This record gives sequence, structure tokens and C-alpha cells, in this order.
Amino acid sequence: AQSVSQHNHHVILSEAASLELGCNYSYGGTVNLFWYVQYPGQHLQLLLKYFSGDPLVKGIKGFEAEFIKSKFSFNLRKPSVQWSDTAEYFCAVNALTGTASKLTFGTGTRLQVTL
Amino acid sequence: DTEVTQTPKHLVMGMTNKKSLKCEQHMGHRAMYWYKQKAKKPPELMFVYSYEKLSINESVPSRFSPECPNSSLLNLHLHALQPEDSALYLCASSHGDRAGTEAFFGQGTRLTVV
Repeated sequence: AQSVSQHNHHVILSEAASLELGCNYSYGGTVNLFWYVQYPGQHLQLLLKYFSGDPLVKGIKGFEAEFIKSKFSFNLRKPSVQWSDTAEYFCAVNALTGTASKLTFGTGTRLQVTL
Repeated sequence: DTEVTQTPKHLVMGMTNKKSLKCEQHMGHRAMYWYKQKAKKPPELMFVYSYEKLSINESVPSRFSPECPNSSLLNLHLHALQPEDSALYLCASSHGDRAGTEAFFGQGTRLTVV
């Protein structure tokens, strides 16, 4: 069974600081990796995804993530955060299990950006 | 249209009530999902429907009963719930139930059991 670990539970940054959120997964087969964001009171939105190809993927709002297969990692980065980036961030892995796929989420990282 | 629509947005029900949550998508997706999210926790998978057939049940108690009347609709029937079932219930859909597809989420139904 797959699992996802997010090491940072609560991160507080000042505006314009750089961001890196860690994500490690555990699964022996082919995986697809995602970062979702959940703004306060809103639904989950996809930030970016990795299926195959270039391990450095770019998403919306200036976010990017790098898939490092040897480290089973998919860390999220942003060079300069804004106050509006305050939200909960979830890393997720989608792995084929039998004839169906299961999207498994990490525990989430709450990002708080201060002015 | 890239939306997954869930109704109602909020629901308060007693432990003896029967209610239903509804989810609709018009993206032609053939896989639909129910997730449960408690406060400050990640979403947890409950059910997966693929081509209108139940393909995954994550050992969910029988007081939760899913139904997929057609490829665009997904219901979750609730009966005899407990207060600990209070949570945000999220519906999602994707092109297929195979790896390699992303899931689109609805805004959720915030359920309170009293």
C-alpha cells in the first residue's frame, strides 16, 4: 500500500520568503504525484502534478516541484511567497491498486504567510 | 465545465434521520469518489466508482451507502449516523480510475450530526 509523509506540519513565513515543503512517498510501483492546495473555506485545488517525463514540474501561481525518484521525494517550492498563499497544502500519490487507483494524501502542511 | 457540484453545502441531521448527499459532474469522467475530511486532517478515501460500478470500499460502515445512478451523478445515503461522523464530505471525479489521471474535487458538504 502507498503512503505519503509531509514533514512540515505548520510553516510560518514572511512575504517574499522562499518556500520548500517536503513530501516523501512509499510505493514500489509506478506512481503519479500531486500537490493540492486548500484555501480557507474553499475546495481542494490542484497546484501541479507529475506523471512522467521532466522531473521538474511547474504549476499554477508560481509553484514548482521536483520528483527525485531515488529519494522517493516530491518537494514543493516557490521562490517568493505572498500573503495569499496562506493555505493548507497536501501532497498526494495516485497508485494503481488492482483494477482501480487510489489517491492517498499526506497529513498536510499549514502555511501561514505574514505581512 | 470543470466543476464538481455538491449539494447541499451544509447539512445538520439527527442520529435517527435519513439524508442523502449529492454530487454531479459533466466532464465525462468515468470515475467518481467520496472522501471524508475531518478538521485539520487530510481527506480519507471512502468509495470509488468506476464506470458506475463500485470498485473500492475502504471498509466504510454500512450506515454510509453510496449510489451511482448514472455516469454524471453520485449519491451518498446516510442513515443512523453518529456524532463522530460529522465532517466535510468531498466528492471527486477523474477521467478514469487508472493511475495517470488527476481528480477534480467539489466544495464539499459540511455535515453535522447531532
